[in-house]
Amino acid sequence: GAVVSQHPSWVICKSGTSVKIECRSLDFQATTMFWYRQFPKQSLMLMATSNEGSKATYEQGVEKDKFLINHASLTLSTLTVTSAHPEDSSFYICSARGGSDNEQFFGPGTRLTVL
Amino acid sequence: GQNIDQPTEMTATEGAIVQINCTYQTSGFNGLFWYQQHAGEAPTFLSYNVLDGLEEKGRFSSFLSRSKGYSYLLLKELQMKDSASYLCAVLDSNYQLIWGAGTKLIIKP
Repeated sequence: GAVVSQHPSWVICKSGTSVKIECRSLDFQATTMFWYRQFPKQSLMLMATSNEGSKATYEQGVEKDKFLINHASLTLSTLTVTSAHPEDSSFYICSARGGSDNEQFFGPGTRLTVL
Repeated sequence: GQNIDQPTEMTATEGAIVQINCTYQTSGFNGLFWYQQHAGEAPTFLSYNVLDGLEEKGRFSSFLSRSKGYSYLLLKELQMKDSASYLCAVLDSNYQLIWGAGTKLIIKP
């Protein structure tokens, strides 16, 4: 099956710093990538949808200037959490969808802890 | 609005059978997914139904009734490793996944 990787797996940073998370589709071209956030014991919350070469579409309530998304190629999307604060601590998961296949393939997730 | 309902938590015994229900109301329908998510990990794909009926895959089966806006995931011969959250998600008319809150399944020996 299709493989999606995320890097880093976990990150601890100080409040006020920026953190970049990479999401890569390893064996297929991802026309669309999704970024989710999941707080403990809660369901996935879609943050934004990005199509290669175009600006990301953010969900209501998600600050696009704080969560910068770049989908520069068909195999790579990045999420940058700018000026991170403790309330941004969460599990960030990307998923990718390729071509006409409706299935989304998930990366392993990145656990962000902001001190 | 769009809505996916599934029970918050269920408990079952090792070796038994459990059925996790999911009802949905969405703007359009392009298929329903079931995912399994262990604590601290990303979801993994279990099944995809777009036509009515039962899809069987090993110990897991998924059923869909589009007219009723209803699906269930059936897990047979439960094993301790099946303890996880099970997420129901519907692909709406914009091909966006609408997620349920998940059902935490607890398996007891």
